[in-house]
Amino acid sequence: SQTIHQWPATLVQPVGSPLSLECTVEGTSNPNLYWYRQAAGRGLQLLFYSVGIGQISSEVPQNLSASRPQDRQFILSSKKLLLSDSGFYLCAWSGRQGHYGYTFGSGTRLTVV
Amino acid sequence: RKEVEQDPGPFNVPEGATVAFNCTYSNSASQSFFWYRQDCRKEPKLLMSVYSSGNEDGRFTAQLNRASQYISLLIRDSKLSDSATYLCVVNGTGGFKTIFGAGTRLFVKA
Repeated sequence: SQTIHQWPATLVQPVGSPLSLECTVEGTSNPNLYWYRQAAGRGLQLLFYSVGIGQISSEVPQNLSASRPQDRQFILSSKKLLLSDSGFYLCAWSGRQGHYGYTFGSGTRLTVV
Repeated sequence: RKEVEQDPGPFNVPEGATVAFNCTYSNSASQSFFWYRQDCRKEPKLLMSVYSSGNEDGRFTAQLNRASQYISLLIRDSKLSDSATYLCVVNGTGGFKTIFGAGTRLFVKA
């Protein structure tokens, strides 16, 4: 069966520090991969999606970046965090067309102080 | 108009009540529809897909009206454990065209 792992679960980082969140998927190949952010009490905002190794599309301009070095690995990074980067970051995977829905990782709660 | 709109609620209902959520979408070419459940401070989890003919899973019934571009979720005999945020999700062509509604909060009280 397919599983998705995301870590760390919580993170407190100072403004201006770097960020690296990692997500891996098991039990499937060639998944679509996604990074979402959810601000407190708000809906999900798509940040990046990837349909293959090295293929990244950005939905929202920001100081974040994403990379997909391996088929089932997706990394979210920042060189310098801002206070506004605080939120709940969720990685998700889907099949090629997304017709069977998304499966989310357990999320990383990031607080920038 | 938002691509996917939901009543944010909250809906406060007693245990045993029947509650219905509606969701409208703007893209008539949308192909797949889902309801997700999100507990406080947790990731969203797929509750059920929504099929054109309507479908039922225990106490939950989902319906799709393509002509009017809305989907609905009916919860019968509400349980305390049903308290959560329910997200309406609409998928177009290609998985990255999936749009999540902002969610409807449900509180079921004893």
